[in-house]
Amino acid sequence: DTGVSQDPRHKITKRGQNVTFRCDPISEHNRLYWYRQTLGQGPEFLTYFQNEAQLEKSRLLSDRFSAERPKGSFSTLEIQRTEQGDSAMYLCASSLDPSGETQYFGPGTRLLVL
Amino acid sequence: QQQVKQSPQSLIVQKGGIPIINCAYENTAFDYFPWYQQFPGKGPALLIAIRPDVSEKKEGRFTISFNKSAKQFSLHIMDSQPGDSATYFCAASRGSGANNLFFGTGTRLTVIP
Repeated sequence: DTGVSQDPRHKITKRGQNVTFRCDPISEHNRLYWYRQTLGQGPEFLTYFQNEAQLEKSRLLSDRFSAERPKGSFSTLEIQRTEQGDSAMYLCASSLDPSGETQYFGPGTRLLVL
Repeated sequence: QQQVKQSPQSLIVQKGGIPIINCAYENTAFDYFPWYQQFPGKGPALLIAIRPDVSEKKEGRFTISFNKSAKQFSLHIMDSQPGDSATYFCAASRGSGANNLFFGTGTRLTVIP
């Protein structure tokens, strides 16, 4: 296992379309996080899963965003009715330790909404 | 509200120099402070981390200094190399609940050969 993987790496879409991103965490990592990073800024927390349960969501996660982790392994992040302001890098991280503090990030999915 | 404030925004040093990046926080509930390195088009990679019960931690050429009373911490890169040119982020987490990371705004480091 070489680390957290994300797919696709790049996505260009038109405003109003739906997009879905996938994250495969490091094997056996039970915690999975989604962050969003805009240009020139640090990543900002969106949501977190402990196994298959989504336990916390940031206020940044509007109702157009939904995330799932159906079997406690991979996760998907869907954005409905995309807006230009959704353009960002979407990062996934996973953690094995019980506290979740040591997080390993994937390469991210860069989204551009035209 | 930025929970972790980072400076400088950018930094240029000569090869062999010792760049220093500073971060400050207000939330005393933070108890874990990692530093991440990010290259263009890549995700952040964990470099080194510290807890408030120690004042300094060293791993290879990277050293974190921590001042609990001032609520500040900094990253020093010894004998910097051109390959260290990247964006560095400090972060903090609370040790409870989601334990999500709060990141600084990043410092773009350029090491000139």
